Amino acid sequence: NAGVTQTPKFQVLKTGQSMTLQCAQDMNHEYMSWYRQDPGMGLRLIHYSVGAGITDQGEVPNGYNVSRSTTEDFPLRLLSAAPSQTSVYFCASSFLRTSGGHNEQFFGPGTRLTVL
Amino acid sequence: AQKITQTQPGMFVQEKEAVTLDCTYDTSDPSYGLFWYKQPSSGEMIFLIYQGSYDQQNATEGRYSLNFQKARKSANLVISASQLGDSAMYFCAMREVDTGFQKLVFGTGTRLLVSP
Repeated sequence: NAGVTQTPKFQVLKTGQSMTLQCAQDMNHEYMSWYRQDPGMGLRLIHYSVGAGITDQGEVPNGYNVSRSTTEDFPLRLLSAAPSQTSVYFCASSFLRTSGGHNEQFFGPGTRLTVL
Repeated sequence: AQKITQTQPGMFVQEKEAVTLDCTYDTSDPSYGLFWYKQPSSGEMIFLIYQGSYDQQNATEGRYSLNFQKARKSANLVISASQLGDSAMYFCAMREVDTGFQKLVFGTGTRLLVSP
């Protein structure tokens, strides 16, 4: 049981390049999400998904695309990288409980992205 | 308005002493969940403790307890008998019913340093 995995761990891009951050989970979680972490700002939600084929925007979606073709995978695409996207990116997953309850999110190890 | 406020950027505590990390939240929903996560210097996010808005008792998990004061909208984390390994960033987060419990909103975190 690998939990939530993310690749790559580190990435350096030039302004204007595109790339995909990979995220996979093996816990059969319906809910998956992407966050970015910047100094002094905590974690901010980029996009999330409540199941295959269903995605929605979070707090800071501009410049990012997502898709969810399977339960296990939730890739994050940077369309045209900008220095403002330099950050640490976390993928997380959980069971979906619409009535609340103890449904903590499990986080991947993070991807440290630098855009020059 | 900030949904989650952590007013202590940094806290210091001596080993074996107790420490309280503050968290206040803002919601008009009657049903919500509050979470605390730990982020050590290695970067991973580790779930510590959960408190549901309808829970009658304050949550406890080993040395961690949550001082939940619903009327004051505060959910402070208490770490008893601090250890050197408790040195880390600590994040408070909330999930609300109006987002279908689908979005986790984080505070900006508190950095705890435990000294020998």
